[in-house]
Formats: sequence, C-alpha cells, structure tokens
Amino acid sequence: QVHLQESGPGLVKPSETLSLSCSVSGYSISSGSYWGWIRQSPEKGLEWIGNVFQSGSTVYNPSLRGRITISVDTSTNQFSLALKSVTAADTAVYFCVKEGAVVDNYFDPWGPGTLVTVSS
Amino acid sequence: DIQLTQSPSSLSASIGDRVTITCRASQSIGDYLNWYQQKPGKAPKVLIHAASNLHSGVPSRFSGSGSGTDFTLTINSLEPEDFATYFCQQFYSPSPYTFGQGTKLEIK
Repeated sequence: QVHLQESGPGLVKPSETLSLSCSVSGYSISSGSYWGWIRQSPEKGLEWIGNVFQSGSTVYNPSLRGRITISVDTSTNQFSLALKSVTAADTAVYFCVKEGAVVDNYFDPWGPGTLVTVSS
Repeated sequence: DIQLTQSPSSLSASIGDRVTITCRASQSIGDYLNWYQQKPGKAPKVLIHAASNLHSGVPSRFSGSGSGTDFTLTINSLEPEDFATYFCQQFYSPSPYTFGQGTKLEIK
C-alpha cells in the first residue's frame, strides 16, 4: 500500500522560499508514475501546483510557473516542492499526491497535508 | 484554464436520501473527470474516476455519470459517514488540472 507524508516548515516569512518534501513508502518512485503537489486554501479552494515524473520531467501550473520547482530524488524515494518569493496568498494546506495514468489520471493516494503559513 | 462549476454549493439531506451533485465544465472534457470526498481536517479521497468508474473500496451507493461538459455524482441511500464535501476535478488538460469549488453535504 502506498503512503505519502509531507514534511517541512509550517511558517515561512514573506519573500522567502517555501520548501516541502514528500516521503513515499510502499512504492518505488523509480518504478514510474507522476508525483504531484496540490494546495488548498479557503480563498482559492483546491489548486493543482504541478507534478514530476521519475525522470525528473515536470509540468507546472502556469499561474505559478517561474516561482516553483518540483524535483525527485529516487535514492531517498522522495520528491520536493520549492516555491519562491512567497506572499500571504501562498498560505495553504499543501498535499503531495500520486498521480495516475495519463488517460485515467486521478490523485490517489494523498498525503495527510501540511499547513504552511506565510507570515513575518 | 478549464473552469468547473459545481451545484449546489451546499446541500442538506437526511439519512437514507438520494442526492445528486452536478459539475459543469467550461469546455468539453470527454469523460476526463474525477470525484473526491473530503472530510474536515483530512485529505480528499477519490470516489469516481473517468466520470463513471467506482474506485476500489468505495461503496456502490456512489455513482457517477456524464460526458462532455455535464457530469453528476449520485449518492443513493445516504449513510452518516457520507456527510462531507465533494469535489470534481478534470484531467483533460494538465496545464493546469482544475477542481470544482466543492459541494458541502450536511445533515438535515
């Protein structure tokens, strides 16, 4: 059974970089699949941030492109999110997810989520 | 971006009722639509994928239908554990994938 767990600081200062990691257990990232990040806030609802394939190729949400980097580390079976130049609008619960096949792509499973607050 | 509009935004129902939630896409997306259930403080869980496919382990009282721009999620004979918020999500266009705003199902 695949399990995902987010980790990282819960408080980030404005203009700094938000960095989160997602540890994957029960499945080797090297085996394939896309791995994604989604965030949720009362203001914007659920927002897909982007994903990374095992090879390192990425697809990003155009609204965040230029500020985000998603990377994968097959040696530690983790993938990561870096969001730079954060503002209060980036305050949200951040989830990591396993994505499905391109022709039947649903998010399953999800990590439990981690709240990140942007504040000085 | 493909916009998904759910209706209603909230809904009150009783145990045993049948409820229907709709999701309308701003353009045709074939059957590239999923439904999720989210309970307070928890991550969403997939219920239906590709419009009408029941995800493994999900009770058969949940069903999905539709294609193109109009989709429905139906819950037959509501159980106490079904009171939650439901979201639709499209995977027709990955730039970006988008979600509906959610439908909160409350007990009457």
